[in-house]
Amino acid sequence: DAKTTQPPSMDCAEGRAANLPCNHSTISGNEYVYWYRQIHSQGPQYIIHGLKNNETNEMASLIITEDRKSSTLILPHATLRDTAVYYCIVRVADYGGATNKLIFGTGTLLAVQP
Amino acid sequence: GAVVSQHPSWVICKSGTSVKIECRSLDFQATTMFWYRQFPKQSLMLMATSNEGSKATYEQGVEKDKFLINHASLTLSTLTVTSAHPEDSSFYICSAREAPTGGGLNTEAFFGQGTRLTVV
Repeated sequence: DAKTTQPPSMDCAEGRAANLPCNHSTISGNEYVYWYRQIHSQGPQYIIHGLKNNETNEMASLIITEDRKSSTLILPHATLRDTAVYYCIVRVADYGGATNKLIFGTGTLLAVQP
Repeated sequence: GAVVSQHPSWVICKSGTSVKIECRSLDFQATTMFWYRQFPKQSLMLMATSNEGSKATYEQGVEKDKFLINHASLTLSTLTVTSAHPEDSSFYICSAREAPTGGGLNTEAFFGQGTRLTVV
């Protein structure tokens, strides 16, 4: 799987949008971009994933550049409960039978400030 | 999303004893489960991939005789830390993926809440 690069930490004011960047310049055509987050002392939580189109769900939006070499996770209105480590992971799609692993990098510690 | 439950949430054991951690998929069948370990202020490190009905696949550097994995059913995988030592103290997390159906894209994995192991 392609490696990703994320800033180690970011701050965001409560109520403002949090934009978390991820660089995946060596991503292959069949690799998806996944975002997970881990609140302190808990298991990771799935947020969103995408291939090349921008995606949005109830938690966040994912913006993927046209060349797919980078992406941005957007939390539109950050709250204190969004303070967590956010992991950007790329991996190939699983069309059944494969045991594709999720390999975690170091992630970005997002601190939402009151 | 689907629910993955780990038990216990935390455990303290004496050095030299064995500890078993359970990982259950509560509302879906998981042909594959993954076990991770996380030390303080570090990222999750994949230890092994557990496949229902077959032997687990361990990542390089993980001792298979020390970390015994059993995946006897589609809803349960266990990790047993044998002859635990203080350096095995860590946060252990399991993850499960739903059995793929109809050749469709199998998407996200679901994680348990983790088990904090302290060996004294």
